[in-house]
Amino acid sequence: KAGVTQTPRYLIKTRGQQVTLSCSPISGHRSVSWYQQTPGQGLQFLFEYFSETQRNKGNFPGRFSGRQFSNSRSEMNVSTLELGDSALYLCASSLATAKETQYFGPGTRLLVL
Amino acid sequence: GDSVTQMEGPVTLSEEAFLTINCTYTATGYPSLFWYVQYPGEGLQLLLKATKADDKGSNKGFEATYRKETTSFHLEKGSVQVSDSAVYFCALYGGATNKLIFGTGTLLAVQP
Repeated sequence: KAGVTQTPRYLIKTRGQQVTLSCSPISGHRSVSWYQQTPGQGLQFLFEYFSETQRNKGNFPGRFSGRQFSNSRSEMNVSTLELGDSALYLCASSLATAKETQYFGPGTRLLVL
Repeated sequence: GDSVTQMEGPVTLSEEAFLTINCTYTATGYPSLFWYVQYPGEGLQLLLKATKADDKGSNKGFEATYRKETTSFHLEKGSVQVSDSAVYFCALYGGATNKLIFGTGTLLAVQP
């Protein structure tokens, strides 16, 4: 079974731009969560989607948003990029019946210049 | 709030040495506990998990036991290999929040 896939793997943007990251979960997984990983703050939860609905949200500004499609694929968007948004963005998927056990993708590394 | 505390790294060991990485947690209720591993340039891989007190998770020679009385979930391996060199993250899910909460990670470097 294919794992979680994320595209693109690398991105370079400039301040003020916006960016959209994509995540395809493991087949059969309907829950998708997003995390930001930085050297300073470590791994921080952004949000979780299930059946196209945001079920949980972390402590990030409104510039960070996401959505989930009917096929469970998810996207996250960051508008008005800041230098501090440079990070590895990780997507994880899980079964509806075992949402605590999350399987991660390889991540998208975003560099904001 | 819920939190996870891991021992600071880096941990440097010789091949075939015994490994322990300490992890303690604070949580309301009865969280599930996890160890994830991250190799350079990659995402997180689920290494093992335990969902209730006294459960032992194990995988690839690694083990961890859910100790409710000491709120701990220490990772152990009897004989490490160079290929085990990576960053290890302890995490919990549940308690007061329905999300994974991670420790700061522990870098393990195994020398031949």
